[in-house]
Amino acid sequence: EPEVTQTPSHQVTQMGQEVILRCVPISNHLYFYWYRQILGQKVEFLVSFYNNEISEKSEIFDDQFSVERPDGSNFTLKIRSTKLEDSAMYFCASSANRSQPQHFGDGTRLSIL
Amino acid sequence: AQKVTQAQTEISVVEKEDVTLDCVYETRDTTYYLFWYKQPPSGELVFLIRRNSFDEQNEISGRYSWNFQKSTSSFNFTITASQVVDSAVYFCALSAAINAGNNRKLIWGLGTSLAVNP
Repeated sequence: EPEVTQTPSHQVTQMGQEVILRCVPISNHLYFYWYRQILGQKVEFLVSFYNNEISEKSEIFDDQFSVERPDGSNFTLKIRSTKLEDSAMYFCASSANRSQPQHFGDGTRLSIL
Repeated sequence: AQKVTQAQTEISVVEKEDVTLDCVYETRDTTYYLFWYKQPPSGELVFLIRRNSFDEQNEISGRYSWNFQKSTSSFNFTITASQVVDSAVYFCALSAAINAGNNRKLIWGLGTSLAVNP
């Protein structure tokens, strides 16, 4: 069964450094999402992306965050200058259309030191 | 406002017991979707079910069943004859319309941590 794949599975970064989290959505999916989950807390929406542009972003998704779909297969989340509070599990999801379920990758655990 | 409430933070049962996880939602949308996801200790999010707002039929899948009641804005999840492998955090989520057409972000409950003990 097709899967959403995320790399790396774990990223450790010094505070203030840039980090790029990578996702390969399911190949025929058109809608892409990033969510994050701070340890022990609920999953929070960050951003949604369709037709090469952001559809919606949450208040968490400030100027330090950006997303890109550089080559038609990858979907990346960049954090420009990481903060301690960015430490979380980041999940990428994709769906075939807006009413279909979102399928999630296994997540990237981001640890900011 | 759109909101999902899972009032049960933690549930502990003994294997083979039935267990129901509660989910109550709020939305002003007339069209919406409800989901359950499972997050095992390994951390990934596993899709379990989607239900749209026009379909109030209950659903059964093996030991899992879901009871959707619009009148009480609830979408409860029952595991029958629970097993140790069911131990996980279970999230209920609501898919809300973001804008005129595209994307529906998921709004999540806080999750219910289910421990099934042998």
